[in-house]
Amino acid sequence: SQTIHQWPATLVQPVGSPLSLECTVEGTSNPNLYWYRQAAGRGLQLLFYSVGIGQISSEVPQNLSASRPQDRQFILSSKKLLLSDSGFYLCAWISRENYEQYFGPGTRLTVT
Amino acid sequence: AQKVTQAQTEISVVEKEDVTLDCVYETRDTTYYLFWYKQPPSGELVFLIRRNSFDEQNEISGRYSWNFQKSTSSFNFTITASQVVDSAVYFCALSEVLIIQGAQKLVFGQGTRLTINP
Repeated sequence: SQTIHQWPATLVQPVGSPLSLECTVEGTSNPNLYWYRQAAGRGLQLLFYSVGIGQISSEVPQNLSASRPQDRQFILSSKKLLLSDSGFYLCAWISRENYEQYFGPGTRLTVT
Repeated sequence: AQKVTQAQTEISVVEKEDVTLDCVYETRDTTYYLFWYKQPPSGELVFLIRRNSFDEQNEISGRYSWNFQKSTSSFNFTITASQVVDSAVYFCALSEVLIIQGAQKLVFGQGTRLTINP
């Protein structure tokens, strides 16, 4: 079965510090991968998606970037965090067989 | 542009009551998918259902049922005989399918926080 991992689970970082969140998927190959952010008390916003290694599409202009160095690895980064980057970050993948989207456990980021 | 509206921000009912969560969507696509997800306090999103735009049959899964009405662009979710464990935030979502890339992008509603009181 497919499994999606995210780490760290929680993170507290000062403003201006760098960020690296990692997502890995097991049990599938060539998945479409996604990064979403959920601000406190709000819905999910799609940040990036990737249909293959090195292919990144950005949905909104922001302080973040994404990379896909390996087929089942998706990384979310920032060079300098802003207070507004605080939120719950979710990685997801889509099954090409039934188009169902599955989410990882999430990373709760607090920028202080 | 695609949009999903969940007008009910919070709902609170007593256990064993039936409750319906509303979802209204907007899209110009003729082919699309609709989803419901449950987000318990742990934060992880749990997939509940996916429905494509060509299938308007209502679906029932245990105490859960979904009513898809294309004429009113609605995809409502009903929990029958609610239980305390149903307490969570529920999200409705709409997908846009990028055929060329095979990618799918979900647009989420703002969510409805459901509280079931014992």
